[in-house]
Amino acid sequence: QSALTQPASVSGSPGQSITISCTGTSSDVGGYDYVSWYQQHPGKAPKVMIYDVTNRPSGVSNRFSGSKSGNTASLTISGLQAEDEADYYCSSYISSGTVVFGGGTKLTVL
Amino acid sequence: QVQLVQSGAEVKKSGASVKVSCKASGYTFSGYYMYWVRQAPGQGLEWMGWINPNSGGTNYAQKFQGRVTMTRDTSISTAYMELSSLRSDDLAVYYCAKSRGWGQLDYWGQGTLVTVSS
Repeated sequence: QSALTQPASVSGSPGQSITISCTGTSSDVGGYDYVSWYQQHPGKAPKVMIYDVTNRPSGVSNRFSGSKSGNTASLTISGLQAEDEADYYCSSYISSGTVVFGGGTKLTVL
Repeated sequence: QVQLVQSGAEVKKSGASVKVSCKASGYTFSGYYMYWVRQAPGQGLEWMGWINPNSGGTNYAQKFQGRVTMTRDTSISTAYMELSSLRSDDLAVYYCAKSRGWGQLDYWGQGTLVTVSS
């Protein structure tokens, strides 16, 4: 199973909005509404920001939102803040509990 | 509150095995699958497999078939991941993570660094 495709890096200025894409196939992203997004700061464990494509866990800022169209899922962060600078990973359910991750996107807040 | 506390860093010789533990608290351990994910230095996340704490059933990524064994001890709410025949490219941080269902991981351990020396 190949990794999902994410841009290596994205950047934005404080207050702006950015979108990170996550492209798979009809066997993963396109086939299930079980896409998650994780934020990882250097030296820390990943933290779930979005699950079930669009849902935010309790405690996650509403500046984070998720969507999906066809085989591509997206994470949008609005009102960028310095603390949003981190690596972001998408993941998708495949089958039998198997998951596949994206290669990760480094977000830089200028 | 949900917590996953992993065992400490390990240094192993090439060819040896390592066993990482993950002690869960704050939820019903047997009710949720436990996943194992690793991350090599400067690299992305890699799914290794999962264990159903209730039944002990497992599913391993093809890449690790034959080298990884995931077990659990429900009496102490602890999951284990053992990786054998270690080689240099097994150098990574190994995470356990609780699944909320369908492979979506809502709580993660702090990670365990495994270093492989020749």
